[in-house]
Amino acid sequence: DVVMTQSPLSLPVTLGQPASISCRSSQSLVYSGGDTYLNWFQQRPGQSPRRLIYKVSNRDSGVPDRFSGSGSGTDFTLKISRVEAEDVGVYYCMQGTHWPPRFGQGTKLEIK
Amino acid sequence: QVQLVQSGAEVKKPGASVKVSCKASGYSFTGYYMHWVRQAPGQGLEWMGWINPNSGGTSYAQKFQGRVTVTRDTSISTAYMELSRLRSDDTAVYYCARGEGSSIDYWGQGTLVTVSS
Repeated sequence: DVVMTQSPLSLPVTLGQPASISCRSSQSLVYSGGDTYLNWFQQRPGQSPRRLIYKVSNRDSGVPDRFSGSGSGTDFTLKISRVEAEDVGVYYCMQGTHWPPRFGQGTKLEIK
Repeated sequence: QVQLVQSGAEVKKPGASVKVSCKASGYSFTGYYMHWVRQAPGQGLEWMGWINPNSGGTSYAQKFQGRVTVTRDTSISTAYMELSRLRSDDTAVYYCARGEGSSIDYWGQGTLVTVSS
């Protein structure tokens, strides 16, 4: 199985400052058709997860443009340009290229 | 708009089974996979399996093989996840989530299953 490793696991950030989360996979996530099935989810306290980014860098509808995704192959990054209070929660990467689908361990973002 | 509405919380004894439902609306039920993901208290997300509502075909994580069964009723746009031989470490919130293949987008509100004697 593909292993997804996120870092850091805990991310204290000052309001208005940028934040960055890394996600590394144990195998390349490039699918045979050329797409890379790496998604990012946000889970606010007490809520269901919500998808932010799909296929590495595509922002979902309604997601603020301060969120961006990048990367290729086995290394991926979620960036928040200026952290706001509503961004507090746990962020997960997920790969859907290889069976079985797998999540990273999660990164808990908190306000410093 | 896409909505996935799950059944309510359950309390079960060890060794029993639980069946959670997930009613879909706002899209073509047979056009997307339905995934099941669970989250133990204070822990991360764990993928359990999926169903292709169009064909009824299923795929399960090895960890749950033999204990989990995912089914669907296309006439009422509802998917079901049944987990048998429950143990205390099956206590978790169980989510259904729509997927375009493996790419999950929308999630249900979650169903808390508590296993306790």
